[in-house]
Amino acid sequence: SQQGEEDPQALSIQEGENATMNCSYKTSINNLQWYRQNSGRGLVHLILIRSNEREKHSGRLRVTLDTSKKSSSLLITASRAADTASYFCATDTSGSARQLTFGSGTQLTVLP
Amino acid sequence: NAGVTQTPKFQVLKTGQSMTLQCAQDMNHEYMSWYRQDPGMGLRLIHYSVGAGITDQGEVPNGYNVSRSTTEDFPLRLLSAAPSQTSVYFCASSSSRSSEYFGPGTRLTVT
Repeated sequence: SQQGEEDPQALSIQEGENATMNCSYKTSINNLQWYRQNSGRGLVHLILIRSNEREKHSGRLRVTLDTSKKSSSLLITASRAADTASYFCATDTSGSARQLTFGSGTQLTVLP
Repeated sequence: NAGVTQTPKFQVLKTGQSMTLQCAQDMNHEYMSWYRQDPGMGLRLIHYSVGAGITDQGEVPNGYNVSRSTTEDFPLRLLSAAPSQTSVYFCASSSSRSSEYFGPGTRLTVT
């Protein structure tokens, strides 16, 4: 079963706009991670937020985590055409064995 | 470092055939995992390993076997391929101090 569910399933924006993707999950987690996948390629790790953190930044990325609502959001600011990809959240409930559970992803299209 | 490598990139099998998907990493990571990704879905964990000689089942282990005789290699075996195993397979590795590194994937079609 999918632990995380992303919303929206697809998002299309203009270059320069901000993109926000949301992830909801069902059980307690140790951390939540966001990944990017370009078409036909493997996943690339973007950012990890631990269960005791509420917000984290990395470059143009901002991730928030609300454990009371079991939800997370990924904000990409000043988007670029190169940001076009699928974005997945993944939850780590094991704390040791890295058994990630992925959501179904958000397909982001940034129009030039 | 080559990172995580997977072979082959593409494979077509007939129902009932067997094959092994290869995965290797050169980062001395203790954790390795196999995932499958079906169209429009996220990845689902098949098997994982926390070190050489130790493997365990993930969410969708049926029809797949793994072994971990060395730290570097984590092959995935399909004993009798079925059309339901048509998917893209990703291998990943990590350590206690790193995030997951994914391989480029193997696209498998079972006819």
